[in-house]
Amino acid sequence: DVKVTQSSRYLVKRTGEKVFLECVQDMDHENMFWYRQDPGLGLRLIYFSYDVKMKEKGDIPEGYSVSREKKERFSLILESASTNQTSMYLCASTDLIRPTYEQYFGPGTRLTVT
Amino acid sequence: AQSVTQPDIHITVSEGASLELRCNYSYGATPYLFWYVQSPGQGLQLLLKYFSGDTLVQGIKGFEAEFKRSQSSFNLRKPSVHWSDAAEYFCAVGKGAAGNKLTFGGGTRVLVKP
Repeated sequence: DVKVTQSSRYLVKRTGEKVFLECVQDMDHENMFWYRQDPGLGLRLIYFSYDVKMKEKGDIPEGYSVSREKKERFSLILESASTNQTSMYLCASTDLIRPTYEQYFGPGTRLTVT
Repeated sequence: AQSVTQPDIHITVSEGASLELRCNYSYGATPYLFWYVQSPGQGLQLLLKYFSGDTLVQGIKGFEAEFKRSQSSFNLRKPSVHWSDAAEYFCAVGKGAAGNKLTFGGGTRVLVKP
């Protein structure tokens, strides 16, 4: 069974803190994605990575960075958290070599910045 | 730029009744189109996808969708709704390699009355 896991389901951080959100997939997928989900806005792509150490900006990269040192792990970093980054964050992965075109999602991390 | 509109934010339907969720997209080329479902507390799961060929596609859980190029629409339907179909539904259009970069609509929340 395919699996995407995220390090925390709920996280509360203070304004200005550095925040790390971790995502791990066990499917040997090349592509990994970070989205944020807000009511009425659906999911918006923050960053994605198509290989180790490779990354590309999505639609809303401002205030975020990412790291992919190993194929199975993709981290989202909030360098200095702000209240407008309070949101649900979803990680996903997909197979590029044997494409099924399906993105597999983790359960999400609900981040609150106070 | 591509965009996806889901005109209905909420839909309430009686169990056993039919369901149709609307999706309109804006995209210059032939789109990759997807419907995902998010059950409460869960990540997103792919219901169905369209790339080419037969414009009526079948998915999991008894759902189907019809691609209408002339109307730029990809509406999701189910003939008879079950209480377990209560969830949020997202339409998405993909671009890039294997349609990997997704743009999501704002979502439609479906409530099922007994």
